[in-house]
Amino acid sequence: DIQMTQSPSLLSASVGDRVTLSCKASQNIYKYLNWYQQKLGEAPKLLIYYTNSLQTGIPSRFSGSGSGTDYTLTISSLQPEDVATYFCQQYNSWWTFGGGTKLELK
Amino acid sequence: QVQLKESGPGLVQPSETLSLTCTVSGFSLTSNSVHWVRQPPGKGLEWMGIIRSGGSTDYNSALKSRLSISRDTSKSQVFLKMNSLQTEDTAIYYCTRGYSSYIEYYFDYWGQGVMVTVSS
Repeated sequence: DIQMTQSPSLLSASVGDRVTLSCKASQNIYKYLNWYQQKLGEAPKLLIYYTNSLQTGIPSRFSGSGSGTDYTLTISSLQPEDVATYFCQQYNSWWTFGGGTKLELK
Repeated sequence: QVQLKESGPGLVQPSETLSLTCTVSGFSLTSNSVHWVRQPPGKGLEWMGIIRSGGSTDYNSALKSRLSISRDTSKSQVFLKMNSLQTEDTAIYYCTRGYSSYIEYYFDYWGQGVMVTVSS
């Protein structure tokens, strides 16, 4: 089974900061990687699919990159409404989620 | 518009069987896959299983011996049954639609989730 490891598990940042979240796969997942945002008390919401494709309606401050085993979600200018937990998900072999990064305001 | 809604008991006794229903609208079960994903309180997401548009199923290897997913296409419903429940099965259970296109695969619509507590 492919394991997904996200870091950090908790990230504190200020409004306007550039924020980078990391996701590492236990083997090459060939860019088959999605990112979801989950706000408190809500279901997850798709942000980015196939590593760097922005889902319809998602602000352009969100972007994704990576290849092989290492992937990144970047928020170019953090907004208060971005406070949430972010999960990566691989679909190269079945479906596995990372443990999540909780993003809070400093 | 596409909607999914989970329903089922909020409390299940240890060792008993969990039965959940996902009622969908705005799309056809014969054209799309539906997955079940669960989330223990304060923890991450765990993929449980899939029922594909053709009716075939696959399960997380860790749950395979206890889990069954089925559907009734005439009622637009997907069913989850999991036996021998333990306290560690306490979680929010979500159904979600799987979208696939060439190299893309993602969960684009989610239900609101149903909280299931395993306790005597």
